[in-house]
Amino acid sequence: SQELEQSPQSLIVQEGKNLTINCTSSKTLYGLYWYKQKYGEGLIFLMMLQKGGEEKSHEKITAKLDEKKQQSSLHITASQPSHAGIYLCGAAGGKLIFGQGTTLQVKP
Amino acid sequence: DSGVTQTPKHLITATGQRVTLRCSPRSGDLSVYWYQQSLDQGLQFLIQYYNGEERAKGNILERFSAQQFPDLHSELNLSSLELGDSALYFCASSASGKGGGYTFGSGTRLTVV
Repeated sequence: SQELEQSPQSLIVQEGKNLTINCTSSKTLYGLYWYKQKYGEGLIFLMMLQKGGEEKSHEKITAKLDEKKQQSSLHITASQPSHAGIYLCGAAGGKLIFGQGTTLQVKP
Repeated sequence: DSGVTQTPKHLITATGQRVTLRCSPRSGDLSVYWYQQSLDQGLQFLIQYYNGEERAKGNILERFSAQQFPDLHSELNLSSLELGDSALYFCASSASGKGGGYTFGSGTRLTVV
């Protein structure tokens, strides 16, 4: 079965700094989703990547899919306290399988 | 509002009891997915239904069961509850059974005491 590993597991950054979260799959990625979750709340859809080399941006968040490496990265530029939360990557293919999540704290 | 409705939002019950969680998918979506999120296990896929039929099964315990009704709403039944079943339970829906966009509900927080 497919497994997703996210790194780092947790991250504390100073406001204004850039950061990157990685998601590596044990199998070929046919579609990769990124979600954000505030602790104890629902999942907020960020982006979906379907093609190798695809890159999408929304506000200060950019996600890329490297199909050959079976990996995706999520990059936040000039982080803000509003970016704090848990970031989850999910591999598509019928059901959505998630990584363990990366907890991001942004210090003002 | 994501369009996926889960009820109740919070549930507190005793060990050994049985509860039912309800999910109404986004209008037009035929597929419903159930997930369990606990602190130590992350977000775990439980089961998927597509247009009333079971499509995929994950790490769902035998004490748990689910169904999808003709109006496409789904219910997750948890029985003989144990302390370890305390978790957030999420429902998601998609238009087809092959993904293409998953919308999550806000979850039901179950506490077993």
